[in-house]
Amino acid sequence: DAGVTQSPTHLIKTRGQQVTLRCSPKSGHDTVSWYQQALGQGPQFIFQYYEEEERQRGNFPDRFSGHQFPNYSSELNVNALLLGDSALYLCASSLGGFRNQPQHFGDGTRLSIL
Amino acid sequence: DQQVKQNSPSLSVQEGRISILNCDYTNSMFDYFLWYKKYPAEGPTFLISISSIKDKNEDGRFTVFLNKSAKHLSLHIVPSQPGDSAVYFCAAIKWGGGSNYKLTFGKGTLLTVNP
Repeated sequence: DAGVTQSPTHLIKTRGQQVTLRCSPKSGHDTVSWYQQALGQGPQFIFQYYEEEERQRGNFPDRFSGHQFPNYSSELNVNALLLGDSALYLCASSLGGFRNQPQHFGDGTRLSIL
Repeated sequence: DQQVKQNSPSLSVQEGRISILNCDYTNSMFDYFLWYKKYPAEGPTFLISISSIKDKNEDGRFTVFLNKSAKHLSLHIVPSQPGDSAVYFCAAIKWGGGSNYKLTFGKGTLLTVNP
């Protein structure tokens, strides 16, 4: 049973570029959340998708956008990249509506901005 | 504003002894708490959780204690093993019902268990 998978593993971009990160949720899960983890910090919530709609959003600018597909997979898009966007981006999946079933995380995409 | 705080960046213990990791929170609306463990180059892995209506939850070597009046929780690992060496994150949920929730994380504590 595959867990949460993210691609790519690593990515290097330059300022001003755009990037798309991808996530496939754990089998049976229908909700995908995205987190940004800067160096030395805990993961920060970006947004969450359920039923192909953004349900919650953290304190991130509109440059961060996402999408969820009918098969529950998800993409995170970041436009006009800044040096401060360098971080580990984590995707987590869960079964919607059950907080006692914890979110399962992928291994993340390491994004470096030059 | 850091709503979940882990004030100890690191902790070192001897194998076989108890490890105690602490976490404080400021938002009294949090009603569910979780601990995640993270190894380098891997995503966080769920360890144990506790509802705000309980004060203790135990799972094998891991026990989480919640003191609501102090807005404090702790994770006890007994006995500690070298494989427990990892970064431990405390996380909290403010449940608003419906189909979704978000995790609010602390900054993490690096636990090192020495053989």
